[in-house]
Amino acid sequence: DAGVTQSPTHLIKTRGQQVTLRCSPKSGHDTVSWYQQALGQGPQFIFQYYEEEERQRGNFPDRFSGHQFPNYSSELNVNALLLGDSALYLCASSLAANTGELFFGEGSRLTVL
Amino acid sequence: QKEVEQNSGPLSVPEGAIASLNCTYSDRGSQSFFWYRQYSGKSPELIMFIYSNGDKEDGRFTAQLNKASQYVSLLIRDSQPSDSATYLCAALISGGSYIPTFGRGTSLIVHP
Repeated sequence: DAGVTQSPTHLIKTRGQQVTLRCSPKSGHDTVSWYQQALGQGPQFIFQYYEEEERQRGNFPDRFSGHQFPNYSSELNVNALLLGDSALYLCASSLAANTGELFFGEGSRLTVL
Repeated sequence: QKEVEQNSGPLSVPEGAIASLNCTYSDRGSQSFFWYRQYSGKSPELIMFIYSNGDKEDGRFTAQLNKASQYVSLLIRDSQPSDSATYLCAALISGGSYIPTFGRGTSLIVHP
């Protein structure tokens, strides 16, 4: 039973560029949430997708957008990258939307130069 | 702003001791609480959750919840060096969203 998978694992971008991160949820899970974790901080909620729609959104600018596909996989897009966007981006899947029982992928570490 | 607070540590305990990790939260409407373990360079992993006041035990781990004091703790008995990690506390904040809000985590070091 595959867990949550994310790609790429590491990437380096320059300021102003755009990035797309991908996530496949754990088998049987239909809800995907994205978190940003800066060094030494806890994960910060970006948004959550369920039934191919954004259901909840955290305090992140519109430069952060996402998508969920019919197979429940998801993408996170960040436009006009800033140095402060450098972080570990975590995808978490769950059986339901309103739960704290999350299964995290290994994350995508983004470095913006 | 509804927050979850943790001391960043590090908390250093000798092998075999009890490690006590603490967390406070600001939203009295929070109903569910979760402890995640995150090894260095890895992703968080859920180890315990607690919904009701009192204690909940699972092996060497005990979660404690006191809603009146808005306080959650995690006790690790017979600490092992393999328990060395960052422990993240999360709360389901009420107010319609019910999205887990994480603290910054407490770093635990168990030394032989």
